[in-house]
Amino acid sequence: DGGITQSPKYLFRKEGQNVTLSCEQNLNHDAMYWYRQDPGQGLRLIYYSQIVNDFQKGDIAEGYSVSREKKESFPLTVTSAQKNPTAFYLCASSIGAGSNQPQHFGDGTRLSIL
Amino acid sequence: AQRVTQPEKLLSVFKGAPVELKCNYSYSGSPELFWYVQYSRQRLQLLLRHISRESIKGFTADLNKGETSFHLKKPFAQEEDSAMYYCALKDFNKFYFGSGTKLNVKP
Repeated sequence: DGGITQSPKYLFRKEGQNVTLSCEQNLNHDAMYWYRQDPGQGLRLIYYSQIVNDFQKGDIAEGYSVSREKKESFPLTVTSAQKNPTAFYLCASSIGAGSNQPQHFGDGTRLSIL
Repeated sequence: AQRVTQPEKLLSVFKGAPVELKCNYSYSGSPELFWYVQYSRQRLQLLLRHISRESIKGFTADLNKGETSFHLKKPFAQEEDSAMYYCALKDFNKFYFGSGTKLNVKP
């Protein structure tokens, strides 16, 4: 089914390298989110964006960067400053802030360090 | 600060037994609460939300403001209910998730 597409499914990073995770949605949602999922810790918010050209830091933004140049796209860059990047990354979208609508999730990207 | 707590990492029940997955929250306003489910090899998806007061796949969840809880219940568990369940709280433009409970329904 459509909705939210994350790519790649698996990604490997070398020490000192930046990598970018892709997230695209065709739901016409205003809000988009990036989460990190670690075993036993649930989902932790990295960054979120309510509208195009605007984004806010979440609880664990250090070592990450994002952009929101288009409504349908919200790429996440894991920089070399992120010292423990190995995790499962989930992208989500929702209709918009202030609504009682839930989030829709992608399939995730698993990032590992070589 | 907003917090969502799911005290059980793993819950095992037999098929046909009642099941209750616990969720407690800490929030200073009127919460918007959700239950999400992730079946094996599938993406995380919405199960139900408190504002809808609905029953999905036999599951219900009642918001108890006095106890600040939003426990997920089903009277008769089925094997296909085995999955990872997450409780989530929405605060205007951010979602806070619990650490999840893995439900294992044994035959």
